[in-house]
Amino acid sequence: DSGVTQTPKHLITATGQRVTLRCSPRSGDLSVYWYQQSLDQGLQFLIQYYNGEERAKGNILERFSAQQFPDLHSELNLSSLELGDSALYFCASSPRGLAGEIADTQYFGPGTRLTVL
Amino acid sequence: AQSVTQPDIHITVSEGASLELRCNYSYGATPYLFWYVQSPGQGLQLLLKYFSGDTLVQGIKGFEAEFKRSQSSFNLRKPSVHWSDAAEYFCAVGLNYGGSQGNLIFGKGTKLSVKP
Repeated sequence: DSGVTQTPKHLITATGQRVTLRCSPRSGDLSVYWYQQSLDQGLQFLIQYYNGEERAKGNILERFSAQQFPDLHSELNLSSLELGDSALYFCASSPRGLAGEIADTQYFGPGTRLTVL
Repeated sequence: AQSVTQPDIHITVSEGASLELRCNYSYGATPYLFWYVQSPGQGLQLLLKYFSGDTLVQGIKGFEAEFKRSQSSFNLRKPSVHWSDAAEYFCAVGLNYGGSQGNLIFGKGTKLSVKP
């Protein structure tokens, strides 16, 4: 158990819908990362937050957005869902992840499996 | 552009045999390197990491990896494989933002099957 929790574990929805995935980082971790794992693209970085602020963006679609709240939990919002959005979405957390800090280790949650029908 | 290559998509070894999973990276700066393991239906578990110092790093479950800068490689090894090691293994590079680590770039993974 990494200490990172994600809800829900599974999500089945229809095309065009909107869903919210939730992540609670390890106690004390300030950085949260979101990754998408699909069969064709593999594991891809989506976005990172550090202490409530967006820090880095990867291959995140405009239909997707995220935020990190004052209690450090994070939500990933996926809207206008398409079949191709079906994937496993991972959240990871790390203690730091801020410029000037030393190298850091990311701990992954169990993932949310999204199925778009 | 940064990238990680795991040349072997699927490897089968016999239980008790040795294992080496290959990983090559392309990155201009000093890399932070990781190996993660994913069992079916599970999340990613960190096996080991290299940040600096000794190029041979020890991890959990009896795994080790060696960083070879001249070959841009970070191969994962285990002297004797157990049936419970069957899983998918991912090599990753942590991007170096002026000395601090950012997001991870993952390889496509190597699926390990273990024969009895």
